[in-house]
Amino acid sequence: GAGVSQSPRYKVAKRGQDVALRCDPISGHVSLFWYQQALGQGPEFLTYFQNEAQLDKSGLPSDRFFAERPEGSVSTLKIQRTQQEDSAVYLCASSIRGYEQYFGPGTRLTVT
Amino acid sequence: AQKVTQAQTEISVVEKEDVTLDCVYETRDTTYYLFWYKQPPSGELVFLIRRNSFDEQNEISGRYSWNFQKSTSSFNFTITASQVVDSAVYFCALSDQNTGNQFYFGTGTSLTVIP
Repeated sequence: GAGVSQSPRYKVAKRGQDVALRCDPISGHVSLFWYQQALGQGPEFLTYFQNEAQLDKSGLPSDRFFAERPEGSVSTLKIQRTQQEDSAVYLCASSIRGYEQYFGPGTRLTVT
Repeated sequence: AQKVTQAQTEISVVEKEDVTLDCVYETRDTTYYLFWYKQPPSGELVFLIRRNSFDEQNEISGRYSWNFQKSTSSFNFTITASQVVDSAVYFCALSDQNTGNQFYFGTGTSLTVIP
């Protein structure tokens, strides 16, 4: 498809497990963003890539969160030792000019 | 500090009524961008409009219109003759030069259009 895709769409993890969330941006989009959206809230910035370079990771809430984009296309957000407060929808967005961002459907993570 | 405030948490209107969604923003930068996104029940954020800080011209796109006023730091969104398909959560967002490309989102306004 032509849009941003994310997998899995839903993930249930037991507390303490590691999870990996995948994002496939729109082809040709050099900028890629991860956001966390808690229930009833707006998305909050986690991290930003331009090609393979992670230019801003100021929004990552702890060192349990790690993101990579090794070849400048697909990105993976990894959360180690998940906690209940990590339960949220994780949104990926891509952009060609750094202006309007196009969002994927999100991954809903539930930590039990 | 950058901040976006959407004071209206939930709005309900009857189909065909007009509705305005409010957005107030804060930034110290003189160059910034404002956005509106729609999030239907399916969850995917849909881009609606981008406006830069140097362009205060109001814009109309079909039943949608946007009113940007720098004097009051507001970027309001009006839907004319609302339809059931307009039911969604609407987010206003801000990005500026100081923060690069990250977006600051408001908390969203949940709009329900009653048939």
